[in-house]
Amino acid sequence: KQEVTQIPAALSVPEGENLVLNCSFTDSAIYNLQWFRQDPGKGLTSLLLIQSSQREQTSGRLNASLDKSSGRSTLYIAASQPGDSATYLCAVPISSGSARQLTFGSGTQLTVLP
Amino acid sequence: EAQVTQNPRYLITVTGKKLTVTCSQNMNHEYMSWYRQDPGLGLRQIYYSMNVEVTDKGDVPEGYKVSRKEKRNFPLILESPSPNQTSLYFCASSLRQGFMNTEAFFGQGTRLTVV
Repeated sequence: KQEVTQIPAALSVPEGENLVLNCSFTDSAIYNLQWFRQDPGKGLTSLLLIQSSQREQTSGRLNASLDKSSGRSTLYIAASQPGDSATYLCAVPISSGSARQLTFGSGTQLTVLP
Repeated sequence: EAQVTQNPRYLITVTGKKLTVTCSQNMNHEYMSWYRQDPGLGLRQIYYSMNVEVTDKGDVPEGYKVSRKEKRNFPLILESPSPNQTSLYFCASSLRQGFMNTEAFFGQGTRLTVV
C-alpha cells in the first residue's frame, strides 16, 4: 500500500529565506506526483505536477524535483514571502483494480514571518 | 477560466435533513471524485466517477450517494446527515484515467456542520 509522508509537519522561516519541503513515498512505481497549496479552511490549489519521466518542474519561485528510485520529492521555494504561508501537500495517484484516487501526505504547514 | 465549482461553500444543517452539495467542472473532464478532509485523518476519498453513469465507492462511502448524469456535474448527496459527517468536503476532477497521467483540479471546498 502506497504511503506518503511529509516532514516536517510545520516550518517557520523569516521572509526572504529559501526553503525546501520534503515528500516521501513508499512505492516508487508512480505515474506522477503533484504538489498542492491549501490556505486555512480553503481549497487545494495545484502548484506543480511532475510526471514519472521528469526530474523536475519549475513555476516562478517554485521548483519541484522527483527521484523515483529513492521515493522522494522536494518542493523548493525561493525568496519566501509572507504570502507563501499555507499548508503544502504532496499527492500521488494510486490504482487498485478499477479504483483510482490520490494518496496525500499529511502536509507541511509553512509560516513565513515578515 | 478552468475551474471546479462547489456549492454551497458553507452549510449548517440538522441531523437527518437531506442535503446536496453540487460540483461542476468546465474542463470537459471525464473523471470526478469527492473527498472529505478531517483533522488527523487527512483527505479521504468518498466516491468517484470514471465517466457519465459510471460511479464507484472510495474509502469512506457510508452515508453518501452520488450521481453522474452529465459529464460536468457530480453532486454529493447526504440522505440523512449525522454529526460524524461534519467535515470539509472537496470535489476534484481530472481529464481522464483518474489522475494517473493528468493533473487534478480541486474545488474551493464545502464546510459542512451537522448539529
